[in-house]
Amino acid sequence: DTAVSQTPKYLVTQMGNDKSIKCEQNLGHDTMYWYKQDSKKFLKIMFSYNNKELIINETVPNRFSPKSPDKAHLNLHINSLELGDSAVYFCASSQNPPGLAGDEQYFGPGTRLTVT
Amino acid sequence: AQSVTQLGSHVSVSEGALVLLRCNYSSSVPPYLFWYVQYPNQGLQLLLKYTTGATLVKGINGFEAEFKKSETSFHLTKPSAHMSDAAEYFCAVSGGSQGNLIFGKGTKLSVKP
Repeated sequence: DTAVSQTPKYLVTQMGNDKSIKCEQNLGHDTMYWYKQDSKKFLKIMFSYNNKELIINETVPNRFSPKSPDKAHLNLHINSLELGDSAVYFCASSQNPPGLAGDEQYFGPGTRLTVT
Repeated sequence: AQSVTQLGSHVSVSEGALVLLRCNYSSSVPPYLFWYVQYPNQGLQLLLKYTTGATLVKGINGFEAEFKKSETSFHLTKPSAHMSDAAEYFCAVSGGSQGNLIFGKGTKLSVKP
């Protein structure tokens, strides 16, 4: 069984569209994350939720809206897509919030978003 | 503010040779340090981590890293490279504004036959 899964794996869309990426973890973890990896492989945190509450919200355009319906799911909705949004988006999870006890984060396989 | 610097964006070694990937960090508090590996078209997988205690940390696939506080370093080593080690390696420190992971820019490891 996949620990952290994301759908879709690939997403190609046009500028201006709205799209969502879904993430699910079956590890029983309390904390989930969204990361963005750009074309140079640089990885940066976007959001983090702990028990369905937003705990990290880095400098991200408000076109990006995360939603956590329950502890096992964290979805990412993106409005009015722009060329610069093209990247690989990774979902991850950990047992505890970041910085607490140095927990390992488990990553999903990524969603490659291409905006044309 | 915490930061991570990985020296060398690309390291190439021969199969059987020593692997050394360098990582230096800055942190105002005792850090938690991590090495992750990313194989092509996959997510990140934890190789090893340092939280407290023994400064030499052993991880999966024969990798190890040593936490040196005086040098603010956490270099990753493996005595003998395998072809299957070819991947992107990321060093990370836990300690962002809200304790989040801060990643280095990654080092791509190539292994020549």
